[in-house]
Amino acid sequence: GAVVSQHPSRVICKSGTSVKIECRSLDFQATTMFWYRQFPKQSLMLMATSNEGSKATYEQGVEKDKFLINHASLTLSTLTVTSAHPEDSSFYICSARDGGGTGELFFGEGSRLTVL
Amino acid sequence: RKEVEQDPGPFNVPEGATVAFNCTYSNSASQSFFWYRQDCRKEPKLLMSVYSSGNEDGRFTAQLNRASQYISLLIRDSKLSDSATYLCVVSLTGGGNKLTFGTGTQLKVEL
Repeated sequence: GAVVSQHPSRVICKSGTSVKIECRSLDFQATTMFWYRQFPKQSLMLMATSNEGSKATYEQGVEKDKFLINHASLTLSTLTVTSAHPEDSSFYICSARDGGGTGELFFGEGSRLTVL
Repeated sequence: RKEVEQDPGPFNVPEGATVAFNCTYSNSASQSFFWYRQDCRKEPKLLMSVYSSGNEDGRFTAQLNRASQYISLLIRDSKLSDSATYLCVVSLTGGGNKLTFGTGTQLKVEL
């Protein structure tokens, strides 16, 4: 079945550095992907909607200059956390819908970011 | 008030028990409803969609009450492998693209 893959699954970085997370739809094309963030014991919160070939749409309170999203192809969206700080440490998850298939929304395996 | 509210649990039940989870949502314009399952430190996976008429998938039964803005999930004959966090999820769109998640209810099934 359709699969969404994220990379890296885990990353530890120093404060002030930038980290890029990739989200790929492996066997379907996704014009839209979604980026979520989950802090411990909290719900997944939608950060932004990534649109292929155009600018991402950010949810209220999410800084677009800090969380850069690029959706350059129909199978790849990237989230770059710029100048990461310890409070950015979280579980980042992407999702994509297989619009050409069952229409089911699939989630990536998630990327756990720890900023020291 | 949270958009989607759930009892965080944990619900500790013996194998074979029947357990029910409840969820309320605040936005009456919500169009689509789901239950997801999330294992520790893993991504959420769709368990089932929830329809107004109620629906069943094996041991799992979901109910929706739009008037009360209330969703439920019933698990019968619970298995050890059912241990997970169950997420109540709603969407304002019929296609269910932008999802709003509850914090989840943790279930622990024990021998």
